[in-house]
Amino acid sequence: EAGVAQSPRYKIIEKRQSVAFWCNPISGHATLYWYQQILGQGPKLLIQFQNNGVVDDSQLPKDRFSAERLKGVDSTLKIQPAKLEDSAVYLCASRTGQSSGNTIYFGEGSWLTVV
Amino acid sequence: GQNIDQPTEMTATEGAIVQINCTYQTSGFNGLFWYQQHAGEAPTFLSYNVLDGLEEKGRFSSFLSRSKGYSYLLLKELQMKDSASYLCAVVRYSTLTFGKGTMLLVSP
Repeated sequence: EAGVAQSPRYKIIEKRQSVAFWCNPISGHATLYWYQQILGQGPKLLIQFQNNGVVDDSQLPKDRFSAERLKGVDSTLKIQPAKLEDSAVYLCASRTGQSSGNTIYFGEGSWLTVV
Repeated sequence: GQNIDQPTEMTATEGAIVQINCTYQTSGFNGLFWYQQHAGEAPTFLSYNVLDGLEEKGRFSSFLSRSKGYSYLLLKELQMKDSASYLCAVVRYSTLTFGKGTMLLVSP
């Protein structure tokens, strides 16, 4: 079974530029998450989708971050304009449903460096 | 909101046993996950507890006490490859909130 796919793996941009990350979850997984992980910290939830609807985006900095999952499958996360403090790994994760016991599977992450 | 606390770092020697604690405060608790994360890699699933008690899986065990807001991950017969960050994550409805992680260093 294919895992969660993310691209690009690595990206270096200058501050005030824009960047987009793509995620394709495990086939059949209805729930998709985007997490931000700053070096030395645990992942922080940015947004959670159930199919193509947003469940939780309370910690998404909406003035610069946006995410969509239009067809309820793959998703994109965009940052515009980027700030230095956005340097982090952006982890996409998915699970089969919203039942609390379903394991969340993570992709390998997209590493962003803002200079 | 949720508050999840774990020690920042721990050290142990190969072959030993180590216990990593996690305390949490949350409303609407629906379970607790432990994940392992090696440097530069994605977190991988270790265990899930929803009821009080001990769940054993090979060299790894996880314990939960819901009344105390407390969990621990027990690693036995430590190996060098166990050097990693261990993340405690609390489930509230369908959302996972992670602690900051405990960096475990296993030395020979």
